[in-house]
Amino acid sequence: AQTVTQSQPEMSVQEAETVTLSCTYDTSESDYYLFWYKQPPSRQMILVIRQEAYKQQNATENRFSVNFQKAAKSFSLKISDSQLGDAAMYFCAYRGNNNDMRFGAGTRLTVKP
Amino acid sequence: GAVVSQHPSWVICKSGTSVKIECRSLDFQATTMFWYRQFPKQSLMLMATSNEGSKATYEQGVEKDKFLINHASLTLSTLTVTSAHPEDSSFYICSARAPGRAGAGELFFGEGSRLTVL
Repeated sequence: AQTVTQSQPEMSVQEAETVTLSCTYDTSESDYYLFWYKQPPSRQMILVIRQEAYKQQNATENRFSVNFQKAAKSFSLKISDSQLGDAAMYFCAYRGNNNDMRFGAGTRLTVKP
Repeated sequence: GAVVSQHPSWVICKSGTSVKIECRSLDFQATTMFWYRQFPKQSLMLMATSNEGSKATYEQGVEKDKFLINHASLTLSTLTVTSAHPEDSSFYICSARAPGRAGAGELFFGEGSRLTVL
């Protein structure tokens, strides 16, 4: 079974600075998707960024980018120019051939003004 | 983007009663929906995969007789918590993948339903 590990329960960043959230996963599949979701206090899950495993180029979405290392099974999220609205729980997720999505334990990000 | 809606957003019930939560895909048809459970300050745990027109597939450890899932149409899946007890109190979230967006791999999530059993 696939597992997703987020080793940082909490992270803190100063406003306008950069922070990196870590994620590793375990799988025997060669084709899959990886995601970062944000869950603010409202509890609504919001997609931040996605990465297809077959793509070597790291995905970017404005201030959000990933460092995808397929051989190392690592998928970290970098948030640049952090804003107060970035404060939330961040979940790394894996979706493979079964179509269901597995989540890491989450990282609570605090942004200090 | 695709929209998934859940109802009710929160519900309080007495122990021993049953509660139904609805999950609707508003602008697309979903042959498969997923139900997750989230305890406070914890991650989302997959409970079951809901398949339109067939039985749901439950994850190991999830009681299928307690958490009844019915996917009666391509836009509606329901989760019924039967004979609810306080330990069933949790946040329940559904999600679905929009057909035609298979390449994106993304799941769209409902707003979640908070169940409190007294």
